Parts: sequence; structure tokens; C-alpha cells
Amino acid sequence: QKEVEQDPGPLSVPEGAIVSLNCTYSNSAFQYFMWYRQYSRKGPELLMYTYSSGNKEDGRFTAQVDKSSKYISLFIRDSQPSDSATYLCAGGGGTSYGKLTFGQGTILTVHP
Amino acid sequence: GAGVSQSPSNKVTEKGKDVELRCDPISGHTALYWYRQSLGQGLEFLIYFQGNSAPDKSGLPSDRFSAERTGGSVSTLTIQRTQQEDSAVYLCASSLGGVGDTQYFGPGTRLTVL
Repeated sequence: QKEVEQDPGPLSVPEGAIVSLNCTYSNSAFQYFMWYRQYSRKGPELLMYTYSSGNKEDGRFTAQVDKSSKYISLFIRDSQPSDSATYLCAGGGGTSYGKLTFGQGTILTVHP
Repeated sequence: GAGVSQSPSNKVTEKGKDVELRCDPISGHTALYWYRQSLGQGLEFLIYFQGNSAPDKSGLPSDRFSAERTGGSVSTLTIQRTQQEDSAVYLCASSLGGVGDTQYFGPGTRLTVL
């Protein structure tokens, strides 16, 4: 079993839809969680960073962490075609020297 | 300022050849990470540098893989006697150096082993 599980999709939604992306993790030592967005043939770029359980909002994006159930989510409101990308969740912390453990990534397409 | 850069962007090699992949981190970033992204897989950690030292090499898949970092800056990942299963995108990331600091990724090197 992978430490971070993520449904690879693909997920296809119409423009304007609310998108929900989810991951589960098994490593209790994880202290912080990140969502990266990766466009085709590009490197991942940080989208959201959360350090504790709860919600964090940034514009159209909301990251949610529930450490009791080891569940992390990313919500995208009013999705746009420019949001079409692969979304990667990651956990880190504990004795990991800062290395991140990533999920498989979810491929999202937002069609006009 | 300049981000993380990697070279080459694409590399095609024959099975059994050695390859070197280069990473130039963001200036002033003391931490440097190498990850590998294979088709259908997420990013897999390979090695972590703090300065020129590598306290965590736990992700290197075999002794054919090695990496070094010089001057606390440029890093080179070397794969000897390449195999087809080494085909992947190799990504480098750097951060300021504290645990939990944001990692900034380069565009990656796409390696194809024929």
C-alpha cells in the first residue's frame, strides 16, 4: 500500500463546476500537506500548503485536512479551462528531512 | 528571480549507456531534492542534499544511481548502465533548507532509454 493514495481519474468537468480532489494517507508522522499543480511537460508548482487540520482558502481554491481520518482534499470553485492539469497531493514531516511523499496525481480537464 | 533549471530537457539514450542529469537550484537554497516521475506513478523521492551532503539517499533504486552536489549549488544525478525501466521524468526541487519549506521544482529532464 502506498503511503499516499490518490485517484488518478481522469476527471472531466464543465467550466464553472466545483471540483473535489481527494487523497488518503497512512503515515501518522506527516505534519504538513501540499497540493501541487502540474501542467503538461512542466514541473509541479505549489498551489496550497497546510500545516494542520482544518481549512485553508486562497481565491477559488480550498484545501482541507482531516488528520483524524488521514484525509486531505482540494476544492476548486468556478473551475476554468486553465485549471486543466494534473493535481498532486503530498505529505511531509516527521523524520523525513523534508522529503515529500506524493500521491499518483489526478488528471483534471475542465471543458468550456 | 530565476527558478530551478535542469538540463538537458530531453535525453534519449541506448540501454547500457551512462547519463548525467544536471540541476541548478535557486540561488541561496541550501536544500536540493531529486524525484522521479514515471508514467502512471506519482513523484518518487530519490535523494536529498543539505549543502553538499546527502543525509538521505533512501530513494535511490539501485547502485547504478548516484548523485553529487558541489559548491552547495549545482547537482548532478548519474545513472550508469541505463535500463529501459529508468525511462522517466527526473525532477529536481530546491528549498531554503528548513524542514517544511516550500520546494520549488524545475521543469524536469525526460529520459528515454531505448
